[in-house]
Amino acid sequence: GESVGLHLPTLSVQEGDNSIINCAYSNSASDYFIWYKQESGKGPQFIIDIRSNMDKRQGQRVTVLLNKTVKHLSLQIAATQPGDSAVYFCAEKDTGFQKLVFGTGTRLLVSP
Amino acid sequence: EAQVTQNPRYLITVTGKKLTVTCSQNMNHEYMSWYRQDPGLGLRQIYYSMNVEVTDKGDVPEGYKVSRKEKRNFPLILESPSPNQTSLYFCAARDVSYNEQFFGPGTRLTVL
Repeated sequence: GESVGLHLPTLSVQEGDNSIINCAYSNSASDYFIWYKQESGKGPQFIIDIRSNMDKRQGQRVTVLLNKTVKHLSLQIAATQPGDSAVYFCAEKDTGFQKLVFGTGTRLLVSP
Repeated sequence: EAQVTQNPRYLITVTGKKLTVTCSQNMNHEYMSWYRQDPGLGLRQIYYSMNVEVTDKGDVPEGYKVSRKEKRNFPLILESPSPNQTSLYFCAARDVSYNEQFFGPGTRLTVL
């Protein structure tokens, strides 16, 4: 069946460093991918998305890279700040379906 | 402001006592869904609704019911809660033409 997974459950970085959070997916029919940020006690919050016809998309301090050949997705956060500390989820959506499939999440810890 | 609200935010109950968690959205979105979030398992979809009076099972529907009588509301009903339904629950809403999904703040349920 389809699955979305993450390589590392916890990532610790220093403030100012760049962070890279990785995600593997298995459904080659997925055409849309999203990254969510979930802070403690809150619901997931949309960060950035990318469609399967793109390799890269940039937002404010964040970049998502999509490698369809190896079914890999990554979220890059530039100049990581303490406020970036949260759990980050990737999610995928299959063409023609409305359902999002979520990964288990990576916790990002940013030290001052 | 685009918003998904849930009530209550916290609930402690006992086995077998029926409860309802309400969810409301102000975005006029067609698609709504319920998720539960458990450590190590990520977000799992319980039920979803494509529009008024249209609901369907997600990945973990056992022990839950939903209804969609109005577009803005999508309550989650536990007819006879059991301890394995202790979890963090999220409601979400999305326009079917756009992929960004908005989440509510979550309801932490404990069933004793």
